[in-house]
Amino acid sequence: GQQLNQSPQSMFIQEGEDVSMNCTSSSIFNTWLWYKQDPGEGPVLLIALYKAGELTSNGRLTAQFGITRKDSFLNISASRPSDVGIYFCAGQLLNAGNMLTFGGGTRLMVKP
Amino acid sequence: ETGVTQTPRHLVMGMTNKKSLKCEQHLGHNAMYWYKQSAKKPLELMFVYSLEERVENNSVPSRFSPECPNSSHLFLHLHTLQPEDSALYLCASSQDIVTGTQETQYFGPGTRLLVL
Repeated sequence: GQQLNQSPQSMFIQEGEDVSMNCTSSSIFNTWLWYKQDPGEGPVLLIALYKAGELTSNGRLTAQFGITRKDSFLNISASRPSDVGIYFCAGQLLNAGNMLTFGGGTRLMVKP
Repeated sequence: ETGVTQTPRHLVMGMTNKKSLKCEQHLGHNAMYWYKQSAKKPLELMFVYSLEERVENNSVPSRFSPECPNSSHLFLHLHTLQPEDSALYLCASSQDIVTGTQETQYFGPGTRLLVL
């Protein structure tokens, strides 16, 4: 089956720093989604990407759908303590209905 | 608030107990999903329902039994579970699972299950 490699697995940064994480796959995806999960909660959708090359922002978050359709990155600018959580990428294949393949997650810790 | 609610939020059960997890979505979606999230493992898709019909069963043990009485409600019935079944169980919904459409899944807050 499809595999999504998400890196880094964890990051410990100083408040105010910028953050970058990415997902790569051996398969081509038609949609990339980025979710954030707070402790004890379910994943919350941050950004959805539907076209190769698409660059989308949501406040301090920016994500891009790679041209090859096999990768995506998420950037967070000027990190805050509230950014702490686990960030997941997910890819969707059109010929698999809405089934998503998830990355292993990036655990972000921000030091005030 | 994502429009998907789950109850209970926390559950402790013995291996001989029978319990049920409930999910309700208020988004008017037609597809609902059960996922299992264990520590240090990617989200694992368990079941998918579309318009109350099960369309996906990812080799889940029979001690997990899903039920979808209507497109807004999804249950996961649990019986004779094992300690390794302890995990966060997440429900999600999407507009539909029609192949060829690009849609998004919205997750509930999950039920944290501990099997003793």
